[in-house]
Amino acid sequence: QTVVTQEPSLTVSPGGTVTLTCASSTGAVNSGYEANWFQQKPGQAPRSLIYLTTYKHSWTPARFSGSVLGGKAALTLSGVQPEDEAEYYCLLYHDGVPVFGTGTRVSVL
Amino acid sequence: EVQLVESGGNLVQPGGSLRLSCAASGFTFTNYWMHWVRQAPGKGLVWVSHINNDGTYANYADSVRGRFTVSRDNARNTLYLQMNSLRVEDTAVYYCATINYRAPPPWGQGTLVTVSS
Repeated sequence: QTVVTQEPSLTVSPGGTVTLTCASSTGAVNSGYEANWFQQKPGQAPRSLIYLTTYKHSWTPARFSGSVLGGKAALTLSGVQPEDEAEYYCLLYHDGVPVFGTGTRVSVL
Repeated sequence: EVQLVESGGNLVQPGGSLRLSCAASGFTFTNYWMHWVRQAPGKGLVWVSHINNDGTYANYADSVRGRFTVSRDNARNTLYLQMNSLRVEDTAVYYCATINYRAPPPWGQGTLVTVSS
């Protein structure tokens, strides 16, 4: 069974930068895993932020960026705002099957 | 308005069945593969199933394969999830969604399925 692992929690100061990572139990992640990133705030449905590893939607704030770093998919938040406090989930495709990550709770303090 | 609206969730006993629906509007439904994703109370997101544009291909998570069936009616812009032999661990909010598209419709609020005796 494929497991996709994220940091359980991260804390960042307003205006700071934080990088969330997404690792696969099958090995190094590359663009072929078509990473997606979702943001979910308490009581709300998830919202897509990044698709196909690096692509942003029209509503995705410019401070969010997706990449592959050191064999993991990564989501970097630069110039963090208080409203970025949320749970973030990655999703990786494994042989055409999507697998969600374990989620990262980002606190802005 | 571009939206996905899930319905059909309910309280059901273990071993029971339920059919969920997802009504799509405001976009070209046939352009998208559709997914079901679930979230147990206080837990993370879990992919359940997906179906291709014309409904000829579907796949499932191991935990639901053989019990759940996904289908779509493109004439009605509606996605379905038939859930049989339900277990307590199937308790969750079920979302329909699209993944990996430039302009996806926003996720709906989901529909709650509770499996309990």
